[in-house]
Amino acid sequence: KAGVTQTPRYLIKTRGQQVTLSCSPISGHRSVSWYQQTPGQGLQFLFEYFSETQRNKGNFPGRFSGRQFSNSRSEMNVSTLELGDSALYLCASSSGQGSGNTIYFGEGSWLTVV
Amino acid sequence: AQSVTQLGSHVSVSEGALVLLRCNYSSSVPPYLFWYVQYPNQGLQLLLKYTSAATLVKGINGFEAEFKKSETSFHLTKPSAHMSDAAEYFCAVSDQDTGGFKTIFGAGTRLFVKA
Repeated sequence: KAGVTQTPRYLIKTRGQQVTLSCSPISGHRSVSWYQQTPGQGLQFLFEYFSETQRNKGNFPGRFSGRQFSNSRSEMNVSTLELGDSALYLCASSSGQGSGNTIYFGEGSWLTVV
Repeated sequence: AQSVTQLGSHVSVSEGALVLLRCNYSSSVPPYLFWYVQYPNQGLQLLLKYTSAATLVKGINGFEAEFKKSETSFHLTKPSAHMSDAAEYFCAVSDQDTGGFKTIFGAGTRLFVKA
């Protein structure tokens, strides 16, 4: 079974630009979560989607948005990039039903904002 | 909201020595607890998961963790460290709020293994 796939793996953007990151979950998984990882803040929860609906959202500004498609693939978008948005963005998938779901991570997308 | 606290941002052990990474949780209900490992330039990989079926949970790569309700702890151990264990380790808890479920991570503990 293929794991969680994230694209692109590495990208460099200029301050003020926008970026879109993509995530394909494990086959059969309907939940996709996004996390931001930085050395100073650790792993911060961005949002979670289940069956195309955002079920949960972390404490990030509105510049951070996401969506999920009918095939469970998900994208996240960051607009008006700031230097502080430089981070590893991790996508994770799970079945999404019931408590205690195990989430499985992709390799991440490294974003550098210059 | 539930949370986890990892004691020690860095732990250094000699090869062959015991590995002990500490995690305490805060939960008003029986928690679902996890340990993940992250190798350089990679995503997080599940090591083990506690689901209340057994207090001692065995994971991959020789790691295990013991759930102690009285101490609200879920420490990760390995009897003998190997150089390949050098990585960052994250304790996590599954949390539920009005919006649904999400996994909350501790700050992480970086494990160094000395030859």
